[in-house]
Amino acid sequence: KQEVTQIPAALSVPEGENLVLNCSFTDSAIYNLQWFRQDPGKGLTSLLLIQSSQREQTSGRLNASLDKSSGRSTLYIAASQPGDSATYLCAVTRSNDYKLSFGAGTTVTVRA
Amino acid sequence: NAGVTQTPKFQVLKTGQSMTLQCAQDMNHEYMSWYRQDPGMGLRLIHYSVGAGITDQGEVPNGYNVSRSTTEDFPLRLLSAAPSQTSVYFCASSYGVVAGGRSTDTQYFGPGTRLTVL
Repeated sequence: KQEVTQIPAALSVPEGENLVLNCSFTDSAIYNLQWFRQDPGKGLTSLLLIQSSQREQTSGRLNASLDKSSGRSTLYIAASQPGDSATYLCAVTRSNDYKLSFGAGTTVTVRA
Repeated sequence: NAGVTQTPKFQVLKTGQSMTLQCAQDMNHEYMSWYRQDPGMGLRLIHYSVGAGITDQGEVPNGYNVSRSTTEDFPLRLLSAAPSQTSVYFCASSYGVVAGGRSTDTQYFGPGTRLTVL
């Protein structure tokens, strides 16, 4: 069974600092990995999707890396802003049945 | 496009009652799924569908039924509500269906239904 872990569960940083969010998974047989953002009381919004053959994806201030062999992904958010405050979840698509397994998320607070 | 819509946004049920959570998408997506989100546990897959007339179970299907009569709609039915079904329910959809009937594309989520069972 695929286990996805996100540590820490919560993070508070001052505005302008770079954010580093971690995601680890136990089974390296994945098809892709996605990072989502969730605002309080809202649904999930996809931020980045990395195919298993890729090492990283970038979108604006966001950069996500993937090391499949070690079972890790990292989401970097450059020059954080208060508007980046949200919960960030990672999810892996398993190769055997293509179902998504989610981590519990990291809740980020960016202080102005 | 409205994207993925869910109704109702909030619902309170008594134990034993039944109800249907509605989900609709207007993006012509083949793959639709239902998740529940509980504190500290992430999202868990309840049921999913790879197209009209085709559904399958996810990780936590007990107590829930689904059907997919059209591409647009994917309702989730609670047969006899229990306090353990208190949760936030999300519907998601995506475009791609690869060989074997599974979707691996970016998923679009609805805003969720917050359900409390007393």
